[in-house]
Amino acid sequence: GAVVSQHPSWVICKSGTSVKIECRSLDFQATTMFWYRQFPKQSLMLMATSNEGSKATYEQGVEKDKFLINHASLTLSTLTVTSAHPEDSSFYICSAATTGDSNQPQHFGDGTRLSIL
Amino acid sequence: AQSVTQLDSQVPVFEEAPVELRCNYSSSVSVYLFWYVQYPNQGLQLLLKYLSGSTLVKGINGFEAEFNKSQTSFHLRKPSVHISDTAEYFCAVSGPGGYNKLIFGAGTRLAVHP
Repeated sequence: GAVVSQHPSWVICKSGTSVKIECRSLDFQATTMFWYRQFPKQSLMLMATSNEGSKATYEQGVEKDKFLINHASLTLSTLTVTSAHPEDSSFYICSAATTGDSNQPQHFGDGTRLSIL
Repeated sequence: AQSVTQLDSQVPVFEEAPVELRCNYSSSVSVYLFWYVQYPNQGLQLLLKYLSGSTLVKGINGFEAEFNKSQTSFHLRKPSVHISDTAEYFCAVSGPGGYNKLIFGAGTRLAVHP
């Protein structure tokens, strides 16, 4: 149980376009979803926390207008990278958690590798 | 504020040898501690977690970790590693309540050689 599906797994697009990444909890309701960014050979950096039906809380230094997060339902959150540029190329990972069990850690998706040409 | 320090960026080891990956944390409140493994181009898989109770925690794939409050450490150990254990390992800390945000260490690359 507790599967998180992230789509797409890999995307290549031209500079200036917008890219949407989906994160779905398949068999549980995710009250909270987290979005991380990971540079090569580095750790995960939390970008934002989103609660269903609320605006996302962004970490310091993350541009909210650049990285749009929507958490419209208990099973889906999306991250849209707007007007993407090469410096936005990275590995993006989502995770999902539920307040139903405060002992349950976050469940991670398999990540999306974004390459901007 | 909470922080996590993984003392070794890379750990090379021969197959069937024991290994220890070190993790120290800093927090002014009680914490939950986690070890995750990441294989290339994949997300994170939970190896084990410490929430409360016994300080020796056993996880998947033969890994275990010991919580040491006085030394603020949560080192990961395996008595005999396999080639398939080659991966990146992350130690993480969160506040009470699993839905709080996780703070990750920089990661340790475990390279198992034949």
